[in-house]
Amino acid sequence: DQQVKQNSPSLSVQEGRISILNCDYTNSMFDYFLWYKKYPAEGPTFLISISSIKDKNEDGRFTVFLNKSAKHLSLHIVPSQPGDSAVYFCAASASGNQFYFGTGTSLTVIP
Amino acid sequence: DVKVTQSSRYLVKRTGEKVFLECVQDMDHENMFWYRQDPGLGLRLIYFSYDVKMKEKGDIPEGYSVSREKKERFSLILESASTNQTSMYLCASRTIGGLAITDTQYFGPGTRLTVL
Repeated sequence: DQQVKQNSPSLSVQEGRISILNCDYTNSMFDYFLWYKKYPAEGPTFLISISSIKDKNEDGRFTVFLNKSAKHLSLHIVPSQPGDSAVYFCAASASGNQFYFGTGTSLTVIP
Repeated sequence: DVKVTQSSRYLVKRTGEKVFLECVQDMDHENMFWYRQDPGLGLRLIYFSYDVKMKEKGDIPEGYSVSREKKERFSLILESASTNQTSMYLCASRTIGGLAITDTQYFGPGTRLTVL
């Protein structure tokens, strides 16, 4: 059973606009959340993370928001750039043990 | 610069063959992981290892085994390859950091395995 879900398999956004990628989870024990970015023929690379004691974490153009009551997190990319085109995975863990990954969202930023 | 390497980028094997996928990390990380990535299913954990000679089953261990004789090396073994094991296999490593905000996994480039 998928504990971490990304319901949008793909997203297209114009360059310069905001990209919003969403992720939902079912396990209330999850306390640490991450976003990874994956280019074709490469392994995923860490992008940004957030612990459950926070509701927002920002790193440059990337911001992750966590809504614990809704069991929902989102990744905002502002402004979007063509180099951001990739597959984005969200992941979650409980007490730093096994990580559970979503199915991924393929982002295309149109120049 | 951190590095996780996998022995092959592409591999083609026949049904019933024994297959070895090797992963090496140079970061002195304690934890290592094997995932497979399939369209529509994301990354699913096959096995992980907390330290040398230690292993734990992940979500989909059936048909696989692992070996961790040295800290830097984690091998995934397909005892008798089947066509449903055709997939992208990703290795990752992580240092023990609890809930540190920078606690993350570093991934290798992946091995695309095709079983005919």
